[in-house]
Amino acid sequence: DGGITQSPKYLFRKEGQNVTLSCEQNLNHDAMYWYRQDPGQGLRLIYYSQIVNDFQKGDIAEGYSVSREKKESFPLTVTSAQKNPTAFYLCASSLNRENTIYFGEGSWLTVV
Amino acid sequence: DAKTTQPTSMDCAEGRAANLPCNHSTISGNEYVYWYRQIHSQGPQYIIHGLKNNETNEMASLIITEDRKSSTLILPHATLRDTAVYYCIVRPRSMIYNQGGKLIFGQGTELSVKP
Repeated sequence: DGGITQSPKYLFRKEGQNVTLSCEQNLNHDAMYWYRQDPGQGLRLIYYSQIVNDFQKGDIAEGYSVSREKKESFPLTVTSAQKNPTAFYLCASSLNRENTIYFGEGSWLTVV
Repeated sequence: DAKTTQPTSMDCAEGRAANLPCNHSTISGNEYVYWYRQIHSQGPQYIIHGLKNNETNEMASLIITEDRKSSTLILPHATLRDTAVYYCIVRPRSMIYNQGGKLIFGQGTELSVKP
């Protein structure tokens, strides 16, 4: 099946630990994105990448880091510097920056 | 901030058409209207988008007013599985002078389809 795969679906971590969320796509899309969603809220852009080996900060990049070493992969690391990391994280991709954006199923991160 | 205004919630009877309105009075000529929906605890699902002409696909129809200041998403025969939060989003046509892929999500409309 073609699509965007996020893993894990649910993740629990202790405060102060870094955690990495995986996002893989087999759609041959150039652009990939990470969004964060808090309960009852809309989505906010964390980071995006238009092409391999390049990425830019979104609206709420503080406390997060990304890499784009391969076209199909765009992992997100939630660092201990992120003040309120508990949230629903969504990865997305598009053919390029002007085409329709498609989303993965999301990952729930709970920090205790 | 989101550039769209939608009702907070709506109900629709199963089998009837669901008409979801959206106001985007400050939309500019190079901005598309996109619709997504999100079922609880899942990723948003793309539905349809348009620039100024009405559009139809297998999921829905999009009606955009002539002045482009508002639009309506139509689900022709709503089912219980259409219960979700529906987001209307204005997105620039070209990302050259904007953050690429920046979809600004508002609160959306919570549609409840009832038997």
